[in-house]
Amino acid sequence: DAGVIQSPRHEVTEMGQEVTLRCKPISGHNSLFWYRQTMMRGLELLIYFNNNVPIDDSGMPEDRFSAKMPNASFSTLKIQPSEPRDSAVYFCASSSANVLTFGAGSRLTVL
Amino acid sequence: AQSVTQPDIHITVSEGASLELRCNYSYGATPYLFWYVQSPGQGLQLLLKYFSGDTLVQGIKGFEAEFKRSQSSFNLRKPSVHWSDAAEYFCAVAPGDTDKLIFGTGTRLQVFP
Repeated sequence: DAGVIQSPRHEVTEMGQEVTLRCKPISGHNSLFWYRQTMMRGLELLIYFNNNVPIDDSGMPEDRFSAKMPNASFSTLKIQPSEPRDSAVYFCASSSANVLTFGAGSRLTVL
Repeated sequence: AQSVTQPDIHITVSEGASLELRCNYSYGATPYLFWYVQSPGQGLQLLLKYFSGDTLVQGIKGFEAEFKRSQSSFNLRKPSVHWSDAAEYFCAVAPGDTDKLIFGTGTRLQVFP
């Protein structure tokens, strides 16, 4: 089992650019989560899906953020336009039987 | 709303010493409780979990945690710390009917030789 796979691992972009982060959950896991980690705010839940359907997106900061899960094996988190305050590590996690498994994260730097 | 408090931001111990990391939660019923560990530049790895039953749970890497309902606590312990245990430790809570995890702010553990 390859675990939860995230790409890219590192992204450096300029303010105003579109950023797309990708996640492949563990096969058979029916829930998928996007978290953001910063020094100031710690780990924040942005959105989570169950059976590909968004269940709770109350943590999505603003309309610049969007997330999709077109099928059980793929999800994206998009930021458009990006801002320096979006710089963080973004984690994807998938779960089965109430246990989350995390990916290695995508470190985003917006200049 | 559920919340998790980890009162210790940073703890330093000597290698071989015992360790206890504190975690308190706020939730009306008995939640599902978790401890995760994060090494620098890595994702979070599950150490142990409590859903029900025996209030003392064993995890990986020699860690254990005890659920105390009366104190709303779920403290993590290890009898003898190794230098490789230096990392950040997160306590998390989830209601029983959802996988949605709420994390504490983390405790950074430093281990001196």
